[in-house]
Amino acid sequence: ETGVTQTPRHLVMGMTNKKSLKCEQHLGHNAMYWYKQSAKKPLELMFVYNFKEQTENNSVPSRFSPECPNSSHLFLHLHTLQPEDSALYLCASSLDGPGGEKLFFGSGTQLSVL
Amino acid sequence: EDQVTQSPEALRLQEGESSSLNCSYTVSGLRGLFWYRQDPGKGPEFLFTLYSAGEEKEKERLKATLTKKESFLHITAPKPEDSATYLCAVQAYDNYGQNFVFGPGTRLSVLP
Repeated sequence: ETGVTQTPRHLVMGMTNKKSLKCEQHLGHNAMYWYKQSAKKPLELMFVYNFKEQTENNSVPSRFSPECPNSSHLFLHLHTLQPEDSALYLCASSLDGPGGEKLFFGSGTQLSVL
Repeated sequence: EDQVTQSPEALRLQEGESSSLNCSYTVSGLRGLFWYRQDPGKGPEFLFTLYSAGEEKEKERLKATLTKKESFLHITAPKPEDSATYLCAVQAYDNYGQNFVFGPGTRLSVLP
């Protein structure tokens, strides 16, 4: 148990569906992240939130819409996705500060877009 | 642009056969270099942070080292439970230090 919980673990959706991924952390961290992990590719940073403010949007298509209502919760709203969006979506959190801070990851949501 | 490469892509070892994984990086001002372990179907799990050249960290059968251009993860007398994908990541001082750049990983299999 890393203290970062993601739901659902698996999701299958059609290209016209709307769904949301949820992430919750109980570590008292102030930074939260969404990463995309595709087969045989490095983790790709999608969004960063620091103290509920979005500080990074890594050129992500608008069909992915993040929401961070507080420092403990992070959502990724999905709509009209494409088959190439199928991947493992990982949420992470960190305690921002000098000298570098490690990431704590959830177990991810395995997304399949049909 | 910050970049991280890892080699080999995959490595098969016999139990007890020591080896090393390589992580090469280019970054504009290294804030930290991180090693993570990822088991299938799970998120990455933190192993080590290295901050400056010459630094070394150890944990059980794993030892991480850092130079100005690369890091090595040495695995001594590995066991089957060490089988996993090992990820390397760097964090730079720019962009508020929040952008971790990951390498593609090395998939390690330790056979009994």
